[in-house]
Amino acid sequence: AQSVAQPEDQVNVAEGNPLTVKCTYSVSGNPYLFWYVQYPNRGLQFLLKYITGDNLVKGSYGFEAEFNKSQTSFHLKKPSALVSDSALYFCAVRDMVRSARQLTFGSGTQLTVLP
Amino acid sequence: ETGVTQTPRHLVMGMTNKKSLKCEQHLGHNAMYWYKQSAKKPLELMFVYSLEERVENNSVPSRFSPECPNSSHLFLHLHTLQPEDSALYLCASSQDLNSDSYEQYFGPGTRLTVT
Repeated sequence: AQSVAQPEDQVNVAEGNPLTVKCTYSVSGNPYLFWYVQYPNRGLQFLLKYITGDNLVKGSYGFEAEFNKSQTSFHLKKPSALVSDSALYFCAVRDMVRSARQLTFGSGTQLTVLP
Repeated sequence: ETGVTQTPRHLVMGMTNKKSLKCEQHLGHNAMYWYKQSAKKPLELMFVYSLEERVENNSVPSRFSPECPNSSHLFLHLHTLQPEDSALYLCASSQDLNSDSYEQYFGPGTRLTVT
């Protein structure tokens, strides 16, 4: 069975500093990986995805993620954090075996960017 | 907003009530989803519909009954709920289940409280 782990419930970073939100995965076959962000009282918003190709994926709002097959990781990064980046971030992996191709989400990481 | 709307945004209901949650997507997508989001737990996929046919039912209690009358609308009918059913219920849509353009677009959710 596939799974996603986000080892940190909470990440704090100062504004202007680089940020990293960690994600590791376990799948059979090639992974389809996603990052979503959830702001307070809102639904999840798609940030970026890895399907195939370059290991460094660029997404919305200046975020990027690095796919590392040997470490089975897909960490989310941003070179310079903004206070407005404070939100709940979810990593997800797509099931390519079951007919519904559903997403399995991690438990989320709360990012707080301090001014 | 992402093109997926949900009503109501907030709902308080007693355990003997019957209510319905509504979701509408304006994106021309063919797949729709219901998720349950509880505090400090990963998102739980409840139901998946593709072209108005249910393709996934993840062992959800029968007190939750989905309905998809067309590809733009999805309902979740609720009856005799329990307090532990209190959560944020998220609706999402995607182009379809099989393409690489699989990212899901979420509505803002319905905050449900069962008293």
